[in-house]
Amino acid sequence: AQSVTQLGSHVSVSEGALVLLRCNYSSSVPPYLFWYVQYPNQGLQLLLKYTSAATLVKGINGFEAEFKKSETSFHLTKPSAHMSDAAEYFCAVRNGANNLFFGTGTRLTVIP
Amino acid sequence: SAVISQKPSRDICQRGTSLTIQCQVDSQVTMMFWYRQQPGQSLTLIATANQGSEATYESGFVIDKFPISRPNLTFSTLTVSNMSPEDSSIYLCSVAGTGNTEAFFGQGTRLTVV
Repeated sequence: AQSVTQLGSHVSVSEGALVLLRCNYSSSVPPYLFWYVQYPNQGLQLLLKYTSAATLVKGINGFEAEFKKSETSFHLTKPSAHMSDAAEYFCAVRNGANNLFFGTGTRLTVIP
Repeated sequence: SAVISQKPSRDICQRGTSLTIQCQVDSQVTMMFWYRQQPGQSLTLIATANQGSEATYESGFVIDKFPISRPNLTFSTLTVSNMSPEDSSIYLCSVAGTGNTEAFFGQGTRLTVV
């Protein structure tokens, strides 16, 4: 069975500081992993995806994530937070049936 | 990437009534997915809609409550029937990308039941 766990429902960082959002996954098959961002009153936008190619994946808006099989992790990072990064972030894993299983989300607050 | 349009974007409905949400995609897709996002929570898959066959519902969701239509490869509807305040959620339509890797989402329909 597939599942994801996001550690920390709320994360606050200062503008310019490192952003680290944690995601651990469970999958019985090699996973496809995703990070999505949801801005207030909007749908979900794909930030980046891991599909068994390079383990370090670069996405939009300066975000990247590293797939670590030994740790079953896919943490999302950004070197320097911007005010515009404030949003809800969801980690997701996909199974062979095309269903996406989402984590509970992490709300990122950026402090000026 | 696919462009997905959902209508309505939001609605306030009386309990006991039904609301039909429309999802239009700018390209032909085999599978379309409907998700629910309850307030402050993550997304839960309601059902998978394939053109020409009955939708496949996830555990906890039934066709009588959430009937789905899929008349062609670019369109689907989800109806929330006999609504109660517990149905207040964001409902999102989704399609799989090329190669069935990532999923693309509509803007969602924010439903409030009073």
